[in-house]
Amino acid sequence: KAGVTQTPRYLIKTRGQQVTLSCSPISGHRSVSWYQQTPGQGLQFLFEYFSETQRNKGNFPGRFSGRQFSNSRSEMNVSTLELGDSALYLCASSLDGSRGYTFGSGTRLTVV
Amino acid sequence: DQQVKQNSPSLSVQEGRISILNCDYTNSMFDYFLWYKKYPAEGPTFLISISSIKDKNEDGRFTVFLNKSAKHLSLHIVPSQPGDSAVYFCAATLNGATNKLIFGTGTLLAVQP
Repeated sequence: KAGVTQTPRYLIKTRGQQVTLSCSPISGHRSVSWYQQTPGQGLQFLFEYFSETQRNKGNFPGRFSGRQFSNSRSEMNVSTLELGDSALYLCASSLDGSRGYTFGSGTRLTVV
Repeated sequence: DQQVKQNSPSLSVQEGRISILNCDYTNSMFDYFLWYKKYPAEGPTFLISISSIKDKNEDGRFTVFLNKSAKHLSLHIVPSQPGDSAVYFCAATLNGATNKLIFGTGTLLAVQP
């Protein structure tokens, strides 16, 4: 079966711009989580959506937002990009959010 | 505040020997622990997990040990193979927040042929 698909794989943006990343979960999975990976910080939890509702949120500024659609696909948006937002953004899906997460390959965002 | 810590950024091991990757945590409310493996340009892949009510879980070449009193867990890989070379992350969850994985910073394992 198809895995978790993230698009685009690579992205270069300028400071001050905004960006939208997309994630298609495994078919049948209703929970989608987003993580940010930066060198030295490991993976940090951004937020989790289940049935179009945000159930949990990490410690990130309001510039980071997300949403989930009725088909479980999810998008993450970052507004007013800063250099420090350069990172690998990973999406993970699970059936119901109970730990059995499968990760996508990520979107590498570079802010210049 | 890093609640899950992997103090060794890297580890080098000879093929066929044992690899031991360590992880410490500070929050005694964690009830479940997981290990993920990550190759470059790929997402993390689940390896093995352990509930806080157990002290050992084994799956083939991989064994995870949990010492709750020391707030320490370790992943043993025996025997190590060159294909095991990757970054290993430990992660933890809180009961009631199983949808949020709290990760360590990772350990880069290099298995030398």
